[in-house]
Amino acid sequence: NAGVTQTPKFRVLKTGQSMTLLCAQDMNHEYMYWYRQDPGMGLRLIHYSVGEGTTAKGEVPDGYNVSRLKKQNFLLGLESAAPSQTSVYFCASSYSIPGQGYEQYFGPGTRLTVT
Amino acid sequence: AQRVTQPEKLLSVFKGAPVELKCNYSYSGSPELFWYVQYSRQRLQLLLRHISRESIKGFTADLNKGETSFHLKKPFAQEEDSAMYYCAPVGRGSYIPTFGRGTSLIVHP
Repeated sequence: NAGVTQTPKFRVLKTGQSMTLLCAQDMNHEYMYWYRQDPGMGLRLIHYSVGEGTTAKGEVPDGYNVSRLKKQNFLLGLESAAPSQTSVYFCASSYSIPGQGYEQYFGPGTRLTVT
Repeated sequence: AQRVTQPEKLLSVFKGAPVELKCNYSYSGSPELFWYVQYSRQRLQLLLRHISRESIKGFTADLNKGETSFHLKKPFAQEEDSAMYYCAPVGRGSYIPTFGRGTSLIVHP
């Protein structure tokens, strides 16, 4: 049981390039999320998904797109990277435990630098 | 609007000292409350949740509904507690937490 995995772990892009970050979970969780983590800003939600084929915008969606074609995968795309997108990106998944809420399970993160 | 505040960016203590990481929230209704921890270069992981009333690694968190606070406490800090701590309320019926900006705890030997 690998939990939540992310690829790649590191990436350097030039301004204007595109890339896709892949998140996979093997826990059969319905909910999946993409966050970015920046110093002093905590975690900010980019996009999320409540199930296969559905996605929704979070707090900071501009410049990103997502897709959830399979329940276990959640892809984050940057169509035209900008230096402001330099960050550490975390994927998470969750499910509901009756009476206990939604615990989030995080991936190891992807460190992205845009030059 | 839903809001969570962790007023300290950095908390620096010596080993064996008590530690309290503050979390204040503004939510309609009664949110479910979580603390997550991120050790250096590792992924975030759940530390504890209010509803379980548990103590994990010596940490406890007390909910004060009147002050809308959920402070994390440990009576005797250890060096291995050095990490970033995030408070994360989740509204009732919601599946989206609001993460605070985090408090970096450094425990000196």
